[in-house]
Amino acid sequence: SSVLTQPPSMSVAPGKTARIPCGGDKVGSDSVHWYQQKPGQAPALVIYYDTKRPSGIPERFSGSISGKTATLTISTVAAGDEADYYCQVWDSNSDVYVFGPGTKVTVL
Amino acid sequence: QVRLVQSGAEVKKPGASVKISCKASGYTFTAYDIHWVRQAPGQGLQWMGRIDPNTGATKYAQNFQGRVTMTGDTSIKTVYMELIGLSSDDTAIYYCARPTATTSVWFDPWGQGTLVTVSS
Repeated sequence: SSVLTQPPSMSVAPGKTARIPCGGDKVGSDSVHWYQQKPGQAPALVIYYDTKRPSGIPERFSGSISGKTATLTISTVAAGDEADYYCQVWDSNSDVYVFGPGTKVTVL
Repeated sequence: QVRLVQSGAEVKKPGASVKISCKASGYTFTAYDIHWVRQAPGQGLQWMGRIDPNTGATKYAQNFQGRVTMTGDTSIKTVYMELIGLSSDDTAIYYCARPTATTSVWFDPWGQGTLVTVSS
């Protein structure tokens, strides 16, 4: 089944932009979805279907695809954005759901 | 509003089994699959499988085949996930989650999570 790759961590200064990549052979053919997980909380959807934002998610969160890499972009990063971020796909060939290993975003 | 409320924390001994519940409200229970995802301490998310509460049909991740059983009770709008043959590696938070729409392949909302601790 599909394998997704993410950097384990990244640091970003307040007010700057964080770009979190998610790579995999299914990216670009199967849609990618993104979740934010803060300590002690359940994951929360922040981007679905590669680029779409659920209601209530700030416009600072956006998604994009280029080739075999999906990117979650967080503009004007704030302390409240410090969290783990996971990408996810549905492997349509095997009908299984796959999560990336997660990226821990630290706001300096 | 759509809500998924899970049962409380469990402590089990190695070799035992655990059965966790996920009670749904705010929508037509039989119209949406329910998925289970677990997260070991300090680790990432792992999809375990799903159940169609309307038909009882299930799909399990290969890693859990033979050890996991997902069932549903439409009368009380609740699904269950039972895991047998527990080991310390099964210590984790277990989440239920629902696709946003009936044909969605992403999850929102999620339950609050159930911590299962396996320890002798």
